[in-house]
Amino acid sequence: GEDVEQSLFLSVREGDSSVINCTYTDSSSTYLYWYKQEPGAGLQLLTYIFSNMDMKQDQRLTVLLNKKDKHLSLRIADTQTGDSAIYFCAESTEGGSYIPTFGRGTSLIVHP
Amino acid sequence: DAMVIQNPRYQVTQFGKPVTLSCSQTLNHNVMYWYQQKSSQAPKLLFHYYDKDFNNEADTPDNFQSRRPNTSFCFLDIRSPGLGDAAMYLCATSREIQLAKNIQYFGAGTRLSVL
Repeated sequence: GEDVEQSLFLSVREGDSSVINCTYTDSSSTYLYWYKQEPGAGLQLLTYIFSNMDMKQDQRLTVLLNKKDKHLSLRIADTQTGDSAIYFCAESTEGGSYIPTFGRGTSLIVHP
Repeated sequence: DAMVIQNPRYQVTQFGKPVTLSCSQTLNHNVMYWYQQKSSQAPKLLFHYYDKDFNNEADTPDNFQSRRPNTSFCFLDIRSPGLGDAAMYLCATSREIQLAKNIQYFGAGTRLSVL
């Protein structure tokens, strides 16, 4: 199976909260990241969390990490149409280089 | 201001005709990466440079080569593009590779079409 898994699509109504989920397999993860990719653009770092934390909040974004279940989520409060994009979860692990491994991305569609 | 710049944004080539994609950075980062991204798939790391040291991923086809003449520039050469090489190619940089917090900065990508 893949090292980092995400569901492919999420559709929400404008103003609602969005929750994008990610699971990973490597228990030696050090940092976990969320990147955002808008149409026709590269990936842009949204936020990250160190593996010994269980929550991080940054304005409308809340990241939750459950190390026991190897589950990471990104919650976007008050989702706007400008949040429509693909969201990639990524992890870097101990041992060798720390090049992140990416998931397939979740396409978030925000409708009025 | 764009910090990782890829040119061109769109590239059309013919089957078997060599093509070069370019990437430049103003961040003075030590590491530069090339990824291949296809629809609904994770970005696939092709190779990376740590300074002048080239590191090829085990499953990167020989058809893909790279050059890094200086810190700022990195090129992706596809010697004989096949239809399966049509994809978005992303360049990224990071400051160091041995840091646990390895934040990458991406360019906007070059979309390659193969006719």
